[in-house]
Amino acid sequence: DVVLTQSPATLSVTPGERISLSCRASESVDTYLHWYQQKPNESPRLLIKYASQSISGIPSRFSGSGSGTDFTLSINGVELEDLSIYYCQQGNSLPYTFGAGTKLELK
Amino acid sequence: EVQLVESGGGLVQPGRSMKLSCAASGFTFNNYDMAWVCQAPKKGLEWVATISYDGSSTYYRDSVKGRFTISRDNAKSTLYLQMDSLRSEDTATYYCARLGLPGIDYWGQGVMVTVSS
Repeated sequence: DVVLTQSPATLSVTPGERISLSCRASESVDTYLHWYQQKPNESPRLLIKYASQSISGIPSRFSGSGSGTDFTLSINGVELEDLSIYYCQQGNSLPYTFGAGTKLELK
Repeated sequence: EVQLVESGGGLVQPGRSMKLSCAASGFTFNNYDMAWVCQAPKKGLEWVATISYDGSSTYYRDSVKGRFTISRDNAKSTLYLQMDSLRSEDTATYYCARLGLPGIDYWGQGVMVTVSS
């Protein structure tokens, strides 16, 4: 199975700052890497697909980059509503594994 | 609007069975592969099982092979997860998910399964 390693596990943020979250794959997943946001007591929702493609309805402050084994989710100007857990998932080979998540908390 | 509504969860004793259902609407169900994903309390997301659009192909994570069965009824736009020989470690929220990508594009609201005596 492809192992996805997310870092950091927890990130303390200040509203307005630009942040980057990392997801590293144990083998190449090309650009079959998606990002999800999960707020407390809610289902995850798709934020970014295929590493860098935006999703309708998702604020433009969210962006993704990367290919192969190294990927980044960036938030340009964190807002309080962004305090959530962020997961990456690979869609290159079954099972479509998830990373362990990065939790954004208020500094 | 795509909707996935799970049902069938609750409290069950170890060793017993439970069947989850997921009613899909807002899209052509038989065009999509579907999946079940679980999340233990305070833990991350884990893939459970996948079924192809026509039901001909399935995939299971190792820990549920031989105990869980994923199936679908395309006439009813419904996905199922039959869970047998349940263990305490199966306690989790189970999400129904649409595989609109090679990956999930829509999630259900989740249903809680608690395995305890």
